[in-house]
Formats: sequence, structure tokens, C-alpha cells
Amino acid sequence: DQQVKQNSPSLSVQEGRISILNCDYTNSMFDYFLWYKKYPAEGPTFLISISSIKDKNEDGRFTVFLNKSAKHLSLHIVPSQPGDSAVYFCAASRGTNYGGSQGNLIFGKGTKLSVKP
Amino acid sequence: DAGVTQSPTHLIKTRGQQVTLRCSPKSGHDTVSWYQQALGQGPQFIFQYYEEEERQRGNFPDRFSGHQFPNYSSELNVNALLLGDSALYLCASSYRDGGNEQFFGPGTRLTVL
Repeated sequence: DQQVKQNSPSLSVQEGRISILNCDYTNSMFDYFLWYKKYPAEGPTFLISISSIKDKNEDGRFTVFLNKSAKHLSLHIVPSQPGDSAVYFCAASRGTNYGGSQGNLIFGKGTKLSVKP
Repeated sequence: DAGVTQSPTHLIKTRGQQVTLRCSPKSGHDTVSWYQQALGQGPQFIFQYYEEEERQRGNFPDRFSGHQFPNYSSELNVNALLLGDSALYLCASSYRDGGNEQFFGPGTRLTVL
């Protein structure tokens, strides 16, 4: 049973427009969420995270929104650039007293984003 | 500042053999986690090492074991290899009391024939 689901295997967006990647989770014990980007032949690269005490976290062009009641989070990329083309993974875990992740990250299957010039 | 490094890059083994994969964490990090990523799937947590001890373990059989050394580097050992063990093995490091993001290495591609 998948605890973290990314239901869209792929997404295609025009350069300059907004990319919205979605993620759903089933385990209500999760309280720390992360997004990673992965290029071929490289390991996942951390993008942005959010704790369950927040509903939004922003870092430059990247914003993550968390809706705890719906057990849903989304990653917004504005504006999208061709270099953003990669596989994006959503991950979740239990949090810690010092605000981070316990480390046992549960990943979704990923969404392949293609940004067309 | 070197990031997370893993060796070897690629490895081919036959069923029943044993394999050891190696990982050096990012400078300043003291915690190492290992993940298995099968084709078309997200990474799956194997276990995490901190202070040279296994602190957390995912749903993997005892054939998967590990070790962390005093310099924080780590090894993943897999015994009695099965065809289904073919995957990308990712190492991630973090600073435990920093609490946040895990930084991943490029992975080791293991093929079991």
C-alpha cells in the first residue's frame, strides 16, 4: 500500500508558465514533507521542505503548499524554465523535536516534468 | 566542499553472490541513510546509521546489512543476491541535530544476473 502517491507520471508545461506538481499521502503520522528533483544519472537533489505546522513555504521560484485536512501537498514552480525538466519526487516522514525529518523518507513514484521552450 | 560520494558507480554480480557498496557523507554530516530505487519507482528506505549504530530500518530482509565507521562513512552489504536486488542504491547524508534535508549521492547501479 503506497503511503505517498504522485498520481501524475508526467507533466508538460510551456516555459514561463506555472508548473504544479501534486502529491497525496495516507499516513496521518507524517509531519514533515520534502520535494526532490532528479536528473538522469544523478542522485535526487533537495528542493524545498515543509513542516506540518505550516501550510506554505517559499524559496525563490519554488513554493510548497500543504493541506493537512486533505492530506495533500503541491509544489509550484513559477516561472518554469527548461532547466527544471527532471523527475520530481515527493517524500514524507515523521518529524523531530528540532523541526526536521526523522530520516525514514517515504517517497512517491515521481512526476516527470518537461518544460518546453 | 565534496558532496556525498558513492563507489562503485556500476556493479554486475550473479545470483547468490555478495556485494559491498560504499558511501562517504557530505562534510559535516554524521548520519547516513541507504535507499533502494527500482526502475520506475521512488527510492525505498533500507536503513539509517548514526553513531555507528543502525537507528532505523525499513522493510528489508536481513540479507541487507550495513556499517558506519568512526569517520561517518558507511557500507551497505547484500548477501545471497537475488535478481530482484537489481536497482540503483542511493546513499544520503544529513546532520542529525540539524534535522533537515538529506543530501543524496549519485548512486550505485547494481545489476544481478
